[in-house]
Amino acid sequence: GESVGLHLPTLSVQEGDNSIINCAYSNSASDYFIWYKQESGKGPQFIIDIRSNMDKRQGQRVTVLLNKTVKHLSLQIAATQPGDSAVYFCAETSGSRLTFGEGTQLTVNP
Amino acid sequence: GAVVSQHPSWVICKSGTSVKIECRSLDFQATTMFWYRQFPKQSLMLMATSNEGSKATYEQGVEKDKFLINHASLTLSTLTVTSAHPEDSSFYICSAREAQKPLDTQYFGPGTRLTVL
Repeated sequence: GESVGLHLPTLSVQEGDNSIINCAYSNSASDYFIWYKQESGKGPQFIIDIRSNMDKRQGQRVTVLLNKTVKHLSLQIAATQPGDSAVYFCAETSGSRLTFGEGTQLTVNP
Repeated sequence: GAVVSQHPSWVICKSGTSVKIECRSLDFQATTMFWYRQFPKQSLMLMATSNEGSKATYEQGVEKDKFLINHASLTLSTLTVTSAHPEDSSFYICSAREAQKPLDTQYFGPGTRLTVL
């Protein structure tokens, strides 16, 4: 079946470094992608999104890149801070149904 | 704006009992609400999609008689776990889609931790 998955289950970075979290998807019909941050015991928090007609979108300290050719999505966090420590999920949707990837645990070391 | 709440935030119950979880959209009307389940160290898995005033659509493998969903108003959906067992222990998260907004806009609740003893 269709799936959205992440390459790395854990990522550890030093405070101030840039972080890159990757995601692969398999549904070529996906037209909208979202990155979520989930802290322990809480619901997902929207970070940034991108539509399939774009290849890059920037937010505050975050950038999402979309490569439709290889069905790859990445989230870049600039100047990573301890407060960025969380699990990050990519999600794909075509229509109203969200499909979540496996998640990457980001740990920021002071 | 676009705040979704869940109640309770956590619940502990005995095996065999039923538990009701509420999901409310606080400042908008939600034509569609979604229920997800998340086991430790795993991703969110969609359980069912609930449209106001109609029966919920359940994902494959989710027992509709065990997970009763009611979406009787535009601001409230409930999930009742009937005859709960320890394997139902999980983190249950709802999301809501605002009326007249793009189909792909969902706002997530804070989740409800269910522990069945």
